[in-house]
Amino acid sequence: GQQVMQIPQYQHVQEGEDFTTYCNSSTTLSNIQWYKQRPGGHPVFLIQLVKSGEVKKQKRLTFQFGEAKKNSSLHITATQTTDVGTYFCAGRAGGTSYGKLTFGQGTILTVHP
Amino acid sequence: ETGVTQTPRHLVMGMTNKKSLKCEQHLGHNAMYWYKQSAKKPLELMFVYSLEERVENNSVPSRFSPECPNSSHLFLHLHTLQPEDSALYLCASSQTGTGSEKLFFGSGTQLSVL
Repeated sequence: GQQVMQIPQYQHVQEGEDFTTYCNSSTTLSNIQWYKQRPGGHPVFLIQLVKSGEVKKQKRLTFQFGEAKKNSSLHITATQTTDVGTYFCAGRAGGTSYGKLTFGQGTILTVHP
Repeated sequence: ETGVTQTPRHLVMGMTNKKSLKCEQHLGHNAMYWYKQSAKKPLELMFVYSLEERVENNSVPSRFSPECPNSSHLFLHLHTLQPEDSALYLCASSQTGTGSEKLFFGSGTQLSVL
């Protein structure tokens, strides 16, 4: 079945440093979503990427979808303590619906002030 | 507040108990989901209901029984659970057919099976 691998599993940074998490799928994706889960909270949707090579920005966050639509990345510039949490990618293979997303294991980000 | 409400927030039960988790969405969505989140594992899709019809059942043991009486409510009935079933159970909803089927999650029920 489809697998989505996410690295790294953990990332510790000093406030102000950059952070990147990578997502790789075993199959070509129709789209990919990113979610953030704060400690003790629930996943919250951040963004969806659909097009090959797509790049989207949300303030300090930059999301990329690979040309082959099998990988994606999330980059945070100049991290802040409010960025703490687990970042999940979730890929949907072509032809699936009903929200059948395959989630990666997540990257746990800690930010030291 | 995400528009998806789950109760209870915490639940401790013995292996012989029967309990139910409740989820209600106030977003007018047409699909609802149960996910299981265990430590150090990816979110696992358990069940999907679209327009009140179950369209997905990811090989979940029969000790978990979902019920969707209408498009706004979703239940997960639990009986004779095992300690390894201890996890965070998340309900989510979405509007399918829009091309941007993002999931809205509830706050989850933290379940401990003793």
